[in-house]
Amino acid sequence: DAKTTQPPSMDCAEGRAANLPCNHSTISGNEYVYWYRQIHSQGPQYIIHGLKNNETNEMASLIITEDRKSSTLILPHATLRDTAVYYCIVRPDSGGYQKVTFGIGTKLQVIP
Amino acid sequence: GAGVSQSPSNKVTEKGKDVELRCDPISGHTALYWYRQSLGQGLEFLIYFQGNSAPDKSGLPSDRFSAERTGGSVSTLTIQRTQQEDSAVYLCASAKTGGPYEQYFGPGTRLTVT
Repeated sequence: DAKTTQPPSMDCAEGRAANLPCNHSTISGNEYVYWYRQIHSQGPQYIIHGLKNNETNEMASLIITEDRKSSTLILPHATLRDTAVYYCIVRPDSGGYQKVTFGIGTKLQVIP
Repeated sequence: GAGVSQSPSNKVTEKGKDVELRCDPISGHTALYWYRQSLGQGLEFLIYFQGNSAPDKSGLPSDRFSAERTGGSVSTLTIQRTQQEDSAVYLCASAKTGGPYEQYFGPGTRLTVT
C-alpha cells in the first residue's frame, strides 16, 4: 500500500545530473516527502526530506511541485557510486504512530 | 556516533529450525522497525515498536514470526520452524520521534534457510 509511484529504472551518464521523479498524488497536508537510497548489499540510507519548499543538502536537491503531488530528487553530478535503488516515501510529521511503507523504488544505473 | 547494529550478519539454518536476529538501535531512538527484503524486491514492513506502546505487528507474515523489544532498546526478531521462503535480508531501523525524522538502517542480517 505504498503511497508513491516511481519508475522502476533509470540510466544516467556519469557527471550528468540525475533527476528521479516521484508521484504522491494522495499526499496529505501534514506529510513529508522523504528520499532514501540503497546501495547493493547495504541498508537504506537517508538522503533528504521536505514538506513544500525545495530543499538542498550535500547529497542532493529535492524539488516539490506547488500542489505537492509530485517531487524530483536531483543528484547534480552523478558518479558511479550513486548507482543504487532510490526510494521515495511519504510520512506524517511529529508525534504518534509513524508506520512507513517502502515501494520498489527506482533503480538508478550511472553509466561511465 | 554508533549506528544501528545487527547480528549476526549472516545466518544459514536448516529448514524447521528456529532463529533469532538481534538489533541494537541508536541510543535514544524510541522508534524501531523491522523489514524484510527478498532478493530483488523492495522493503516489506514487518513490525514497529514505539516507546512503551503496543507494537504494530500487522506486517508479520505468519505466527511463526515474533519480535520483542526489551527495555525500549535492543530488539530480537524470532522465526520459528523456518521455511525456505523465509530466506531474505532482515533489516532493522531506528528513529527519533517528535517532529519529522529519518530512519537509520542497520546493515541487515542475511538469512538463508536450506
